[in-house]
Amino acid sequence: KAGVTQTPRYLIKTRGQQVTLSCSPISGHRSVSWYQQTPGQGLQFLFEYFSETQRNKGNFPGRFSGRQFSNSRSEMNVSTLELGDSALYLCASSPWDRNYGYTFGSGTRLTVV
Amino acid sequence: AQRVTQPEKLLSVFKGAPVELKCNYSYSGSPELFWYVQYSRQRLQLLLRHISRESIKGFTADLNKGETSFHLKKPFAQEEDSAMYYCALSESNTGKLIFGQGTTLQVKP
Repeated sequence: KAGVTQTPRYLIKTRGQQVTLSCSPISGHRSVSWYQQTPGQGLQFLFEYFSETQRNKGNFPGRFSGRQFSNSRSEMNVSTLELGDSALYLCASSPWDRNYGYTFGSGTRLTVV
Repeated sequence: AQRVTQPEKLLSVFKGAPVELKCNYSYSGSPELFWYVQYSRQRLQLLLRHISRESIKGFTADLNKGETSFHLKKPFAQEEDSAMYYCALSESNTGKLIFGQGTTLQVKP
């Protein structure tokens, strides 16, 4: 069974640009969540999608957005990049029952210069 | 406010010694708690769920609602246990995971 796949693995962008990250969940998983991981703030929740609808959103500015497609694949977009957006972005998927636990991808390492 | 606290950034023990990684939480409802582990250069992976009361790789964790704790324990540490361990709480109405800052476990030979 394939795991959670995130592409690309690494990205370098310039301040002010925008970026799109992609996540393919485990087959059959309908919930996809995104997290930002930084050395200073640790792991922080960005948002969760279920059946193409955003169910929950963390405390991030509107520059961070996402969507989910009918095949459960999800994309995350960050516009007007800032230096502080440099982080590891993790995607996680779960079956319908969230308390089963989430399976994480390897992440996309975004560096903003 | 919902919060997960892991008081130790680094825990260093010798192989064969007992291990206890501490986790305390603050949550107004009935918590769902997890331990995740990240081995060097690997992805974050689920280690334990409190609802299943299971033992994985010799690790156990008991939810103590009175002390609002969910400490991770193993009687005899192995070198391959060296990793970063995260305690996480799942909000019941959102499913959002709130993570602690993580504890690095270093098991010395």
